[in-house]
Amino acid sequence: DTAVSQTPKYLVTQMGNDKSIKCEQNLGHDTMYWYKQDSKKFLKIMFSYNNKELIINETVPNRFSPKSPDKAHLNLHINSLELGDSAVYFCASSQDMRTGISSTDTQYFGPGTRLTVL
Amino acid sequence: AQSVTQLDSQVPVFEEAPVELRCNYSSSVSVYLFWYVQYPNQGLQLLLKYLSGSTLVKGINGFEAEFNKSQTSFHLRKPSVHISDTAEYFCAVSYLSGAGSYQLTFGKGTKLSVIP
Repeated sequence: DTAVSQTPKYLVTQMGNDKSIKCEQNLGHDTMYWYKQDSKKFLKIMFSYNNKELIINETVPNRFSPKSPDKAHLNLHINSLELGDSAVYFCASSQDMRTGISSTDTQYFGPGTRLTVL
Repeated sequence: AQSVTQLDSQVPVFEEAPVELRCNYSSSVSVYLFWYVQYPNQGLQLLLKYLSGSTLVKGINGFEAEFNKSQTSFHLRKPSVHISDTAEYFCAVSYLSGAGSYQLTFGKGTKLSVIP
């Protein structure tokens, strides 16, 4: 059973297009995240949602819009794709990250989506 | 602000030799420390974590790490590596952000290459 799944695994598209990446977790977690890993393998958080509510929104261009239809899903929509958006995007989930130290729990990562913008 | 420094971007080591991957952090608040491993073309997997208690933490696949508060370090060690340990290793700190939730900040990773 896949705990955190992402689709698609690979995405190749032209500049200016709009694309979406889907993420689903079957762990019953309340918190979900999107991370971007650049070509140098540096991982940086983009967003986190807790039970469909936006919690963390790092300085990400507003072309990126996360959407959480329910707490098991967190999709990432990207408008007007640019060359610099090429990266691997990881979804992750964890227990509620707001309820204190005992909830500083493991984040479970999906397999990643490699986005290539031509 | 919290930051994580992984001092070595690449570490080559012969099979069955010991290895230490170094991690230092800076923080003005209490932090919780993690090591994740990323095998080629895969997502990240937790190796071990330190939240409190014993400063020596044991993880999966024979790895361990020691939290040293005075040196603000959390180095990862394994006494004898295998070819299958070849991967990218990420140190991370979790801290309570201004948004009221715990947030992970990652180091830039260390690529461990095990040589047969």
